[in-house]
Amino acid sequence: AQRVTQPEKLLSVFKGAPVELKCNYSYSGSPELFWYVQYSRQRLQLLLRHISRESIKGFTADLNKGETSFHLKKPFAQEEDSAMYYCALRSSSNTGKLIFGQGTTLQVKP
Amino acid sequence: DTGVSQNPRHKITKRGQNVTFRCDPISEHNRLYWYRQTLGQGPEFLTYFQNEAQLEKSRLLSDRFSAERPKGSFSTLEIQRTEQGDSAMYLCASISRGSDNNEQFFGPGTRLTVL
Repeated sequence: AQRVTQPEKLLSVFKGAPVELKCNYSYSGSPELFWYVQYSRQRLQLLLRHISRESIKGFTADLNKGETSFHLKKPFAQEEDSAMYYCALRSSSNTGKLIFGQGTTLQVKP
Repeated sequence: DTGVSQNPRHKITKRGQNVTFRCDPISEHNRLYWYRQTLGQGPEFLTYFQNEAQLEKSRLLSDRFSAERPKGSFSTLEIQRTEQGDSAMYLCASISRGSDNNEQFFGPGTRLTVL
């Protein structure tokens, strides 16, 4: 079964501290993984994709096939990073639907 | 075109009533998805359209749910005989035909409350 697990519902850190949002997946084959973010009162939007291997707003995520993980990291958290973060897996079906984790609320305290 | 739009943004209804939501995708996006999000959960896939063809439906989509995309542009999602368990945020997303990064663009959602 294709599944995404985000074990933490809430992650609370102080400004300037490192952040790691955990994501594990279950998938047979080559997965395509994403991180989506939802800021307060805004719509869900793409943060980054594993394929592009880019850093967005200081965030990076590395696909670890051995551990079936795609954790999101940032070395120094900012207050504006406070948001809900969802890890998502693109389904192997022809439709390309996304399978989301439960989400993690990141709270960055001043 | 400022992105995917959804109407209404909020809907409160009584159990047993029918409701209909509308999604207007980004122009020329030929692929359209509906998701449902309940409190404390991530979005869950409901159904998918490529142009006007509905190509996949989730088991979550009971026979009380129906979705259409008559001209391959906007889409509607109807729920008949609503139940309290239907209370959720209903999200629409679209993606272009030639997308090389598979980014789905989401609308703001319609929040349904069934009393």
